[in-house]
Amino acid sequence: AQSVTQPDIHITVSEGASLELRCNYSYGATPYLFWYVQSPGQGLQLLLKYFSGDTLVQGIKGFEAEFKRSQSSFNLRKPSVHWSDAAEYFCAVGIPGGGADGLTFGKGTHLIIQP
Amino acid sequence: GAVVSQHPSWVICKSGTSVKIECRSLDFQATTMFWYRQFPKQSLMLMATSNEGSKATYEQGVEKDKFLINHASLTLSTLTVTSAHPEDSSFYICSAHKGLAGANTGELFFGEGSRLTVL
Repeated sequence: AQSVTQPDIHITVSEGASLELRCNYSYGATPYLFWYVQSPGQGLQLLLKYFSGDTLVQGIKGFEAEFKRSQSSFNLRKPSVHWSDAAEYFCAVGIPGGGADGLTFGKGTHLIIQP
Repeated sequence: GAVVSQHPSWVICKSGTSVKIECRSLDFQATTMFWYRQFPKQSLMLMATSNEGSKATYEQGVEKDKFLINHASLTLSTLTVTSAHPEDSSFYICSAHKGLAGANTGELFFGEGSRLTVL
């Protein structure tokens, strides 16, 4: 079975600084990879996804993520964070192939932006 | 983009009553929808997969008689929490799969979530 690890429960970053959120997965092949953002009391918004091809993926709101097969990682980055980026971020994996399966989520990383 | 709407967004009920939560895909047809449960400050846990016109597939440990799922049309899935108890209080989120049935394109769209509080 697949699993997702987000090693950082909380991260604090100064506004304007760069950001990297870590995500590692465990699966026998290359899964589909996703990053979602959740504001308090809200549903999830997709930031970006990786299925295949170019390992550097661009998403919305200035986010990008890089798939590194050798490290089983899919870290999320942003060059300059804004106060509005404060939220919970979830990395998730989906299984390619037949059948629409639900995603497996990491435990999330809570991003705090300080002035 | 595709829109998935949940209703109600929050509900408070008495212990022992049943609560129905609706998940609608507003601008696309979804043969498959998913129900997740999220405890405070925790991740989403997949509860069940809802397939239009057939029985839902429940994840291990989820009581199917407790959490009734109905996917009667291509745009609507409902989750009914029966005989709710305080431990059922949680944030319930649905997602809808936009794509061909049986094809995992990964096009999942999430609802806004429904917060259930059982007194």
